[in-house]
Amino acid sequence: QQQVKQSPQSLIVQKGGISIINCAYENTAFDYFPWYQQFPGKGPALLIAIRPDVSEKKEGRFTISFNKSAKQFSLHIMDSQPGDSATYFCAAIGYDMRFGAGTRLTVKP
Amino acid sequence: KAGVTQTPRYLIKTRGQQVTLSCSPISGHRSVSWYQQTPGQGLQFLFEYFSETQRNKGNFPGRFSGRQFSNSRSEMNVSTLELGDSALYLCASSLGIAGGTGELFFGEGSRLTVL
Repeated sequence: QQQVKQSPQSLIVQKGGISIINCAYENTAFDYFPWYQQFPGKGPALLIAIRPDVSEKKEGRFTISFNKSAKQFSLHIMDSQPGDSATYFCAAIGYDMRFGAGTRLTVKP
Repeated sequence: KAGVTQTPRYLIKTRGQQVTLSCSPISGHRSVSWYQQTPGQGLQFLFEYFSETQRNKGNFPGRFSGRQFSNSRSEMNVSTLELGDSALYLCASSLGIAGGTGELFFGEGSRLTVL
């Protein structure tokens, strides 16, 4: 059922570093690509999202880069902080919703 | 404004039993969607209800069913439980159709353990 491939599965970054998570999708019917952040014991929360008519969207330290021709998009977290340690999910939204398997990010102080 | 509320938060069942999970969406939200979350598979879409009608369904067996009431509250039911049904079940609400805005507001989930 998985139509969105997310990598890496886990990521360890030093405080102040850049965290990069990648996703690739197959179905061209998707037209909305959100990223969700999930802390242990909590449900996912929308972090940032992009539509395929733009190639990049930035909100604070978080940036989505989108490559429509390659069917790939990525999340960049600049100046990563220990508080960013969480699991991140990409998603592709169209008639239905497909999620990546998640990336567990650990930011070391 | 209250968030999405899921009950129960934790439950333990044995194989062959059935279970019903409840989800109360954010006030004013008409769409409720359900997801299964497991360590290996991540988030898997189960189904979405909008205005009491099932709008979409993921690739799960018929043992998984749901419904939505006139007040937008939703329930999902899993019959003849199997060990592999052990998971965190999340529901999310949205103002409009979930596939339209993509802005889903998730509850904290119901963790089901099947023994």
